[in-house]
Amino acid sequence: QVQLVQSGAEVKKPGASVKVSCKASGYTITNYYMHWVRQAPGQGLEWTGIINPSDGSTIYAQKFHGRVTMTRDTSTSTFYMELSSLRSEDTAVYYCAREGQGTPGDYWGQGTLVTVSS
Amino acid sequence: DIQMTQSPSSLSASVGDRVTITCRASQGIGYGLGWYQQKPGKAPKRLIYAASSLQGGVPSRFSGSGSGTEFTLTISSLQPEDFATYFCLQHNTSPYTFGQGTKLEIK
Repeated sequence: QVQLVQSGAEVKKPGASVKVSCKASGYTITNYYMHWVRQAPGQGLEWTGIINPSDGSTIYAQKFHGRVTMTRDTSTSTFYMELSSLRSEDTAVYYCAREGQGTPGDYWGQGTLVTVSS
Repeated sequence: DIQMTQSPSSLSASVGDRVTITCRASQGIGYGLGWYQQKPGKAPKRLIYAASSLQGGVPSRFSGSGSGTEFTLTISSLQPEDFATYFCLQHNTSPYTFGQGTKLEIK
C-alpha cells in the first residue's frame, strides 16, 4: 500500500534552514509527481511547489522563490523540501502530497511541524 | 495568481441535511479542481478530483460538479463523520491555489 512518511518536528531560529523529508513506499516514485503544501496554525492550506521525480524538475510558488528547494533521491524513494532564511511566518505543518489522476493529494504524508522561534 | 473564492466560510447543519459548498475561480480553470476534507490534527483527504470524479473509497453521498469558474461540492445526506473543514484546490495553473476553507459544524 502507498505510504508517505515524513520526518519529525523541527524547531528552528529565524534565519536558519530546515529540510523536511518524505519517504515514499508502495509505488514507483518516478511515476508520480510530488507536491508540498503547508498549513500555518489555524489557517488554510498553501501550495508550495511540485517536483517531477523522473528528472528532478521543479516548479515553486513565486512566494517561495529563492528560499525553497525540492529534491528527491530515487535510490531511497525519498523526497526533500528545504526552506531557508526562515521567519516566524514559516511556522506551519508541511505536507508532502502525491499527485494521482492528474490532481494533487491522492496520498498525503502525516505532516511535519516546523516551528520558527527565537 | 488565480484566486479561489470559497463559500460559505462556515456552515451549521444537521445529520441528514443536504449541503453545498461553492468555489469560484478568478479565471477559467477547466476541470482542474479537487475537493478535500480535513479533520483537526490530520492531513487532508481527497474526495473529488478533476472536478467531478469521486476518489476511490469515498462514500457516494459526496459529489462534485462544475467547470470553468464555478464548482460545487455536495454532500447529499450529512453523516456524523462529515463534520470537518473542506477545501477546494485549483491545479490548472501554477501557482496552484486553495480556497480558504469551509468549516462544517453540527447544528
